[in-house]
Amino acid sequence: AQTVTQSQPEMSVQEAETVTLSCTYDTSESDYYLFWYKQPPSRQMILVIRQEAYKQQNATENRFSVNFQKAAKSFSLKISDSQLGDAAMYFCAYRGSTTSGTYKYIFGTGTRLKVLA
Amino acid sequence: NAGVTQTPKFQVLKTGQSMTLQCAQDMNHEYMSWYRQDPGMGLRLIHYSVGAGITDQGEVPNGYNVSRSTTEDFPLRLLSAAPSQTSVYFCASRLTGGKEGTDGYTFGSGTRLTVV
Repeated sequence: AQTVTQSQPEMSVQEAETVTLSCTYDTSESDYYLFWYKQPPSRQMILVIRQEAYKQQNATENRFSVNFQKAAKSFSLKISDSQLGDAAMYFCAYRGSTTSGTYKYIFGTGTRLKVLA
Repeated sequence: NAGVTQTPKFQVLKTGQSMTLQCAQDMNHEYMSWYRQDPGMGLRLIHYSVGAGITDQGEVPNGYNVSRSTTEDFPLRLLSAAPSQTSVYFCASRLTGGKEGTDGYTFGSGTRLTVV
């Protein structure tokens, strides 16, 4: 069975600095997708970035980028020039495939990011 | 605005009461799901549906029922509320699979449920 592990329950970063959130996963599949979701205090889950496993190039969305290491099954999120609005819970998620084709999602337990002014 | 609408946002129930959490989406997504979010446990899948008339159990289905009579609506019913069901509940939808399903989920704003 696939698993997603976020080993950092909480992280802190100074405003304008860079922080990296780690995520590892375990799977025997070769075709899958990885996501980072942000959950601010408003509770709304927001998709931050996604990575397709068959693409070697790391995904980038403005100040957010990932370091995807397929062989190591690692998918870390880097936030550059951190802003107060980045403070949130961040979830790593894996989307694989099942025999029924429902493409099951598995979420990590989350990392709470605090941004210090 | 297009998206996933969840109601209510907050609810307090007494043990043994029943209730229905409503979820509606207007994006014509085939796939809808219910998750519960508990501290230190991430999001756990309760039930999901790949289309109208089709539902299936997720990781933690006990104590919950769902139905999918239309593409738009996917209500979650708590049959006899228990304190262990105190949680934050999220409804989410997406296109089903393949390339079309890789844009990720669209989530509702969540329901904070407390069972006393």
